Amino acid sequence: EAGVTQSPTHLIKTRGQQATLRCSPISGHTSVYWYQQALGLGLQFLLWYDEGEERNRGNFPPRFSGRQFPNYSSELNVNALELEDSALYLCASRGYPGGISTEAFFGQGTRLTVV
Amino acid sequence: AQSVTQLGSHVSVSEGALVLLRCNYSSSVPPYLFWYVQYPNQGLQLLLKYTSAATLVKGINGFEAEFKKSETSFHLTKPSAHMSDAAEYFCAVSRSGNTPLVFGKGTRLSVIA
Repeated sequence: EAGVTQSPTHLIKTRGQQATLRCSPISGHTSVYWYQQALGLGLQFLLWYDEGEERNRGNFPPRFSGRQFPNYSSELNVNALELEDSALYLCASRGYPGGISTEAFFGQGTRLTVV
Repeated sequence: AQSVTQLGSHVSVSEGALVLLRCNYSSSVPPYLFWYVQYPNQGLQLLLKYTSAATLVKGINGFEAEFKKSETSFHLTKPSAHMSDAAEYFCAVSRSGNTPLVFGKGTRLSVIA
């Protein structure tokens, strides 16, 4: 069974540009979570999508946004990129077989570098 | 609000020695607790989880953790360190089965031959 897949693996953008990161959850998982892992700051929660709806967002500015598609895959968009946005962006998915939540499974991440 | 504190950003042990990584949590409700490991340039892999069942939780690769409510702790241990254990370890808490995980800042474990 395929795990959580993220694309691209690496992304280099110029300050002020927009970045789009993609995540495909494990088959059957309906919840997708996005985290930012910047150097020295640990993992910061960005966004949570479930059944196509945004359920919660972390303490990030509105230029961080996303969506979840009918097939439960998800997209994270970062507008007006700043140098401080350089980080590893991790996606995780969770499923609810029989109404019981699985643990969160993580993808390998997208390394975003803003120059 | 929930939070996690991991004591020690870097822990170094000799191969074969006990591994002890500390995690204290703050939660207003009985928490779900997790330990994840991250190898360089990779995502996170679940080591073990506590979901209000047995307080001593056994995970993969010989790791285990004990939930101590009185101390609000969930420390990770392994009796004998192996070189392959060198990685970053993250403790995380969530309020329920599907709410987002809140992570500690991580502890980098080095294993010396």
